[in-house]
Amino acid sequence: SQTIHQWPATLVQPVGSPLSLECTVEGTSNPNLYWYRQAAGRGLQLLFYSVGIGQISSEVPQNLSASRPQDRQFILSSKKLLLSDSGFYLCAWSTRQRTNYGYTFGSGTRLTVV
Amino acid sequence: DAKTTQPPSMDCAEGRAANLPCNHSTISGNEYVYWYRQIHSQGPQYIIHGLKNNETNEMASLIITEDRKSSTLILPHATLRDTAVYYCIVRRNQGSGNTGKLIFGQGTTLQVKP
Repeated sequence: SQTIHQWPATLVQPVGSPLSLECTVEGTSNPNLYWYRQAAGRGLQLLFYSVGIGQISSEVPQNLSASRPQDRQFILSSKKLLLSDSGFYLCAWSTRQRTNYGYTFGSGTRLTVV
Repeated sequence: DAKTTQPPSMDCAEGRAANLPCNHSTISGNEYVYWYRQIHSQGPQYIIHGLKNNETNEMASLIITEDRKSSTLILPHATLRDTAVYYCIVRRNQGSGNTGKLIFGQGTTLQVKP
C-alpha cells in the first residue's frame, strides 16, 4: 500500500536559520508531489508542485525553495527563515492512476520561527 | 479551475445528517467536484468526488444538481469526530498536460454538537 512520510512533526527555528523539511512516498512510482502551507487561522496555500525528478513549479513568490532529488522524495528548504515562514507545512502526492482518489496528505510539520 | 462558494460555518446535532452546500456556478464540463475535510492539526482527508452523477461511499454522499452549478455533501449520521473544516474543490482530473493541482478555498467549518 502507498504511504507518505513527513518529518519532523514539529520544529522551532530561529529567524535567519536554514530549513529542510523532507517528504517521502512509498508504494508508488512517478507520483506528482506537492507542498502546501497553512498559516495560523488561514487556508491551505499551494507552494510547489513537481511532476518528476528535478521538475519543480512554484506557485507563489516566497522565501522557500523545493527540490526533488529522487522520484519519491520532495524537500522544502530555506536558506534564511523569516518570521512569516511559520505555519503548518503539508506534503501531498497523487498520480494519474489514482485520479479518482485525489490527493493523499502527510501528517504535516508545524514550524514556528522565533 | 472553477471557484467555489461555501458558507463559512455550520452546526449539526450529533446523529443527524449534516448537509454541506457548495456553489460552483462557473464549472466547466470536464471539471469534477471534490470534497476534502481537515480535522484540526491534521492533513486534509479525501472524502468523495463526482462529475455529474450522485455518488456515495462509506463516508458520505455527494449530490450534484442537474446543471452542475451546485452540490451538497451529506454526512448521514454526523458524529463528534466529524467536526472539521470541509473543502469543496472543483478541478479537472489529471491527464496529459494537467498537473492536477488542488486549490483550496476557505471551506466550511462544521461543528457537530452533542
